[in-house]
Amino acid sequence: KNQVEQSPQSLIILEGKNCTLQCNYTVSPFSNLRWYKQDTGRGPVSLTIMTFSENTKSNRRYTATLDADTKQSSLHITASQLSDSASYICVVSPDNAGNMLTFGGGTRLMVKP
Amino acid sequence: DTAVSQTPKYLVTQMGNDKSIKCEQNLGHDTMYWYKQDSKKFLKIMFSYNNKELIINETVPNRFSPKSPDKAHLNLHINSLELGDSAVYFCASSGIAGLRTDTQYFGPGTRLTVL
Repeated sequence: KNQVEQSPQSLIILEGKNCTLQCNYTVSPFSNLRWYKQDTGRGPVSLTIMTFSENTKSNRRYTATLDADTKQSSLHITASQLSDSASYICVVSPDNAGNMLTFGGGTRLMVKP
Repeated sequence: DTAVSQTPKYLVTQMGNDKSIKCEQNLGHDTMYWYKQDSKKFLKIMFSYNNKELIINETVPNRFSPKSPDKAHLNLHINSLELGDSAVYFCASSGIAGLRTDTQYFGPGTRLTVL
């Protein structure tokens, strides 16, 4: 069964600090992995998309890593801001399923002043 | 100039009723989707649709049916609503059907509450 597990479930950090969110998946075969940010009451917004050949990808203060051998990904947020408070969702696409995505349960991040 | 819009934002209704949620995208995308986000915040795809193909998640009850009057719209019709249908429903679209790395753009969601 295809699964995506994220940790921690929730995280509280102080503004300006860094943090790292984890994602483990059992989706096979594997095509790509995405990280989304979902603000409360809004739809998810794409942060990064990585294929199996990409190890790292950055988008402003967000850096995603991917280890396709161990089936793990991380999202590192640098110099956190209050606006980073949101749920961060890891999403994996199987190789033969086109746009059929498997979503993780998300990590709820709260950045405090 | 909202990219993907949904109406209504909130929907409260009685068990057994039939309701529809509308979705429109102005991105010129070929493919649209419906997702359900449950109380535990897991997003699950319900339908994927473009001009040529409707892909249905086999776990979706046949009380749910997508209707697409044109490429820019994909409405979700639900018959005989049940308590377990209460959730947030998200519409999304992407540009190129079948392109595995294509970004999906999500609407703001419709919170459905069945009483």
